[in-house]
Amino acid sequence: AQTVTQSQPEMSVQEAETVTLSCTYDTSESDYYLFWYKQPPSRQMILVIRQEAYKQQNATENRFSVNFQKAAKSFSLKISDSQLGDAAMYFCAYRRRTGNQFYFGTGTSLTVIP
Amino acid sequence: EPEVTQTPSHQVTQMGQEVILRCVPISNHLYFYWYRQILGQKVEFLVSFYNNEISEKSEIFDDQFSVERPDGSNFTLKIRSTKLEDSAMYFCASSPMIGGPGELFFGEGSRLTVL
Repeated sequence: AQTVTQSQPEMSVQEAETVTLSCTYDTSESDYYLFWYKQPPSRQMILVIRQEAYKQQNATENRFSVNFQKAAKSFSLKISDSQLGDAAMYFCAYRRRTGNQFYFGTGTSLTVIP
Repeated sequence: EPEVTQTPSHQVTQMGQEVILRCVPISNHLYFYWYRQILGQKVEFLVSFYNNEISEKSEIFDDQFSVERPDGSNFTLKIRSTKLEDSAMYFCASSPMIGGPGELFFGEGSRLTVL
């Protein structure tokens, strides 16, 4: 069974600094997708970044980048130049290449300190 | 920008009562989902729906749960006889495609409290 683990329930970062959120997953599949979703307080989850497992290059989206280690089944999110608006719950998610079920971690609550 | 909308944002009900949670997916999306998150736990998949039928469901989605797309816009989750353990945040999501790297678009969630 696929499981996604986020070992950091809470993280904090100073504004303008860099923070890395951890995620590991377990799967026997070789082709799949990984996602980071952000959920601001009282708002819907929105996609931050996605990674296709067959691509070796780490995905980047502006200040957000991932460190995808397929052999280690690790998928961490790096946020550079943190801004107050980055404060949110961050969820790591996995989906098989075929199929429509997403598997989520328990989330990491990120606080940005001014 | 199109959004998935959910109503109500919060519902309090007595154990044993029926509850209907409503969702309006993004209009050109074809795949619809319900997820739930019990406080402090993972976001869990309940069910996916395509072409007016359930395409996949989890073990959580037992006979007490049902989904329906009664018209061209709404997608509902019904819980027939609520239990205390049904208290959770319920998220509706939709996507325009299946497979591939397609993302889910989520609503803000409906918080259900069963007393």
